Amino acid sequence: ELKVEQNPLFLSMQEGKNYTIYCNYSTTSDRLYWYRQDPGKSLESLFVLLSNGAVKQEGRLMASLDTKARLSTLHITAAVHDLSATYFCAVDTSKNSGGSNYKLTFGKGTLLTVNP
Amino acid sequence: GAGVSQSPRYKVTKRGQDVTLRCDPISSHATLYWYQQALGQGPEFLTYFNYEAQPDKSGLPSDRFSAERPEGSISTLTIQRTEQRDSAMYRCASSLAPGGSEQYFGPGTRLTVT
Repeated sequence: ELKVEQNPLFLSMQEGKNYTIYCNYSTTSDRLYWYRQDPGKSLESLFVLLSNGAVKQEGRLMASLDTKARLSTLHITAAVHDLSATYFCAVDTSKNSGGSNYKLTFGKGTLLTVNP
Repeated sequence: GAGVSQSPRYKVTKRGQDVTLRCDPISSHATLYWYQQALGQGPEFLTYFNYEAQPDKSGLPSDRFSAERPEGSISTLTIQRTEQRDSAMYRCASSLAPGGSEQYFGPGTRLTVT
């Protein structure tokens, strides 16, 4: 059974600081997604990573994927209060399951609080 | 439509009643997914449709849960004889195609079973 582990689960940081959220998964996959969820809201897609070595950046967030290490990172640069939210990584194993198993398996999420 | 919509947004029901939740996906999207999200957790897969076909029901917790997408567009998720443990947020997502295609999530239906 695929396991997706995020750490940390809770992150409190000061504005202006940098930090990294880690997402480890237990089976072969080269498709990984990052989502943001604000309290009481739906999930907003942030990044789609579809190959080993993929790196994507949007504003103060940068995501990368290392399929050999089964690891994705979400790096936050010079955090601002608006980034406070819960961040989920989700793994898609469909390509490696011969075209089946199209579900996403999510981590538990990282609750990020950015303090002034 | 412009995004994925779900109704109702909130549903309170008594234990033992049946409930039906509705999802209207993005109009060009072939694939539709249902997830269950408990408070403080990530969404957990229930089932998905590719057009009207339902290739994977593996995440449905019991035979009290069923889903339909008869015309390959709108989908419904029905929970029969609801139990308190069914209380959760039920989220629908859609994508252009299955596998490797970004999933867009709806606002969810918050189900409370009393």
